[in-house]
Amino acid sequence: DIQMTQSPSSLSASVGDRVSFTCQASQDISEYLNWYQQKPGKAPKLLIYDASNLETGVPSRFSGSGSGTDFTFTISSLQPEDIATYYCQQYDDVPLTFGPGTKVDL
Amino acid sequence: QVQMVQSGAEVKKPGASVKVSCKASGSTFSVYYIHWVRQAPGQGLEWMGWIKPIDGGTHYARKFQPRVTMTRDTSINTAYMELNRLTSDDTAVYYCTKTRGLAPILPFDSWGQGTLVIVSS
Repeated sequence: DIQMTQSPSSLSASVGDRVSFTCQASQDISEYLNWYQQKPGKAPKLLIYDASNLETGVPSRFSGSGSGTDFTFTISSLQPEDIATYYCQQYDDVPLTFGPGTKVDL
Repeated sequence: QVQMVQSGAEVKKPGASVKVSCKASGSTFSVYYIHWVRQAPGQGLEWMGWIKPIDGGTHYARKFQPRVTMTRDTSINTAYMELNRLTSDDTAVYYCTKTRGLAPILPFDSWGQGTLVIVSS
């Protein structure tokens, strides 16, 4: 199974800050990497697919990069509504696996 | 955008079974793959498997293979996930979600609201 790790597990930032965190796969997954945002009590929401493609309707302050085993998610200017946990997920192979999440708060 | 509406919360005793439903809006229900993902309290996301509504084909994660059954009723655009021999470790929110396109393994672009299943004696 492909193991996904995320770093850090949590971070605190201020409104307007540039925020970045990483996701690492245990083997090469090319660009088969998605990023989801989950707010408390809500279902996850797709933000970035194929490592760097912004899902329709998602604000452009969100971005993703990387390929192979190392990936980065960035919020260019943190907004209050971005407070959530962010999960990476690989879909290179089954079983599909998620990272443990990065919790972002103010 | 396809909307997915799940059945309500369930409380089950250890050893029992639970069946969660997921009704999708729109005429494209049969085209996409429906996956099930669960999340234990305070924990991360765990993938369980998928069903292909158009022909009922399934693929389960090895961990759940002996205990899970995914089915569908295309006449009412509804998918089901049944989990047997429940233990307290199965206490979780169960989500249905659909693929972004027509292949089995793609990003998940629409999710149900989640169904809380509590297993307790």
